[in-house]
Amino acid sequence: GESVGLHLPTLSVQEGDNSIINCAYSNSASDYFIWYKQESGKGPQFIIDIRSNMDKRQGQRVTVLLNKTVKHLSLQIAATQPGDSAVYFCAESKPSGSARQLTFGSGTQLTVLP
Amino acid sequence: EAGVVQSPRYKIIEKKQPVAFWCNPISGHNTLYWYLQNLGQGPELLIRYENEEAVDDSQLPKDRFSAERLKGVDSTLKIQPAELGDSAVYLCASSSGRNTEAFFGQGTRLTVV
Repeated sequence: GESVGLHLPTLSVQEGDNSIINCAYSNSASDYFIWYKQESGKGPQFIIDIRSNMDKRQGQRVTVLLNKTVKHLSLQIAATQPGDSAVYFCAESKPSGSARQLTFGSGTQLTVLP
Repeated sequence: EAGVVQSPRYKIIEKKQPVAFWCNPISGHNTLYWYLQNLGQGPELLIRYENEEAVDDSQLPKDRFSAERLKGVDSTLKIQPAELGDSAVYLCASSSGRNTEAFFGQGTRLTVV
């Protein structure tokens, strides 16, 4: 079946270091990939997205890399800060009717150590 | 601009009782999603609405779950009767079209005892 999965359930990094969160996906029909951040007690919050015709996209302190050959997605956070501590989900999206079908992976808990 | 609003934030009920959740999407968003999120897991789609029409409800357990989106704005999700395994966070999200992101509410945490 279709699935989006993550390699590591937890990741701890020192404040100021870079973080890399990985994700594997299986649906070749997905044309759009998104990273969400979810803090405790809150809903998922959009961080950055990338279309399947791209292999890299940069935002503010975040970079998403897409390798379609091996169906792998990663989120890089530069100079990780305490406020970055959260669960990070990758999600894959494909057109469905006039909107999009969004499928989430199981998440990685990022903990930033002082 | 107000985001997606859900209520209640928390709900504790006894098993076999009914429960309802309410969602007010972002103004102008025609697509509304209900997701279920178990602890440590990613959100799983229950149902998606395009305006007032449910276009994807294949994952909704229809024997006990129901949803409606009258007038294509607010939506309610109901469980009757609730079971212990229904304890989870129920998330609502909305979007305005195919090329826009989905915005999530804070969710309703349901505990069935």
